[in-house]
Amino acid sequence: QEHLVESGGGVVQPGGSLRLSCAASGFSLTIHGMHWVRQAPGKGLVWVAFTSYDGLNTYYGDNVKGRFTISRDNSKNTVYLQMNRLRVDDTAVYYCVKDMRYLEWIMDVWGQGTTVTVSS
Amino acid sequence: EVVMTQSPATLSVSPGERATISCRASESINTKLAWYQQKPGQAPRLLIYGASTTAPGIPARFSGSGSGTEFTLTISSLQSEDLAVYHCQQYSTWPPTTFGQGTKLDI
Repeated sequence: QEHLVESGGGVVQPGGSLRLSCAASGFSLTIHGMHWVRQAPGKGLVWVAFTSYDGLNTYYGDNVKGRFTISRDNSKNTVYLQMNRLRVDDTAVYYCVKDMRYLEWIMDVWGQGTTVTVSS
Repeated sequence: EVVMTQSPATLSVSPGERATISCRASESINTKLAWYQQKPGQAPRLLIYGASTTAPGIPARFSGSGSGTEFTLTISSLQSEDLAVYHCQQYSTWPPTTFGQGTKLDI
């Protein structure tokens, strides 16, 4: 069974940093693109970042571009999201999500989410 | 970016009745549309992709239709466990992929 488990969330002050991790099991990351999607309290889903199966192509939402970095270690079957210069409006549950197939951003496996709270 | 608009924001339906949720794209996305179900306190789950293809393990009472800019998710006979927020997502033009604001289904 395909499974994703996020970790690394917590409470951080504005301007601080956090690194989220996403461990995959039941499938190999080497053939799948991966996303981070976030959901602020009581709000809808917002796409944050994407890394291609080989890590050579990455894309970011405008709200996080220049502050967040997505990366992956296929040898560890793990995806990361480095979040710097955090703002109050980055407060959300962050989901790690698997792409169903190449070049189609259909999100077929979701982790349980990790909560990031940015507050002074 | 492609803006996705869902209606209604909240839908109240009795068990056994049919529920219909709409999603409109700001430009044509062909059939590059997915639907997700998010039960309270849980992560989203893929229901439908390609506008009308049901994901594995999804009950037959869930169906999707539409193309271009207008799409519909239909639950043919509502069950109590269908209480959830339903999200549509376009993946025709990326980045970014974009979601609708969600429709809350009350049973």
